[in-house]
Amino acid sequence: SQTIHQWPATLVQPVGSPLSLECTVEGTSNPNLYWYRQAAGRGLQLLFYSVGIGQISSEVPQNLSASRPQDRQFILSSKKLLLSDSGFYLCAWSVPGLNTGELFFGEGSRLTVL
Amino acid sequence: GNSVTQMEGPVTLSEEAFLTINCTYTATGYPSLFWYVQYPGEGLQLLLKATKADDKGSNKGFEATYRKETTSFHLEKGSVQVSDSAVYFCALRAPTGANNLFFGTGTRLTVIP
Repeated sequence: SQTIHQWPATLVQPVGSPLSLECTVEGTSNPNLYWYRQAAGRGLQLLFYSVGIGQISSEVPQNLSASRPQDRQFILSSKKLLLSDSGFYLCAWSVPGLNTGELFFGEGSRLTVL
Repeated sequence: GNSVTQMEGPVTLSEEAFLTINCTYTATGYPSLFWYVQYPGEGLQLLLKATKADDKGSNKGFEATYRKETTSFHLEKGSVQVSDSAVYFCALRAPTGANNLFFGTGTRLTVIP
């Protein structure tokens, strides 16, 4: 069966510090991968998605970047965090080529920038 | 553009009460509509979906009907249980999009015995 795992689960970082959130998927090949963020009082917002290694699409211009160094690994990064980067970050995957709208989510990472 | 507006929470109900969580959407064309649920300590998971007007999605006693005339997809359950306590997210997928889902803000439901 397929599993998705992201870490760390919680993170408290000072403004200006770097960020790295990691997500891995097991039990499937060439998944579509996604990073979503939920800021306080707002819906989940798609940040990045990837259909293959090295292929990243950005939905929202911002202080963050994403990379996909391996087929089932998706990393969310920042060189210098802002207060507005605080939020709940969710990684997800979907079956490639099957646009049913069903995404499989990780447990989420809560980031607090102070 | 595409957007989803859902009922503000939190919602607190007694066990066996009737649940309605409102969801309305704005989209071009005919989107697919979804309800996702996040139980404590877990990731979001798909609860139900509907892909065209008048479709009814159902799962685990929950139902939602795709109403194009009112652009709504309200979630209902006739008798909630303590185990239904979770955060519920309404979402849409644009008809021309890939799997890019537009989510609402989520509604936290707490069911008390």
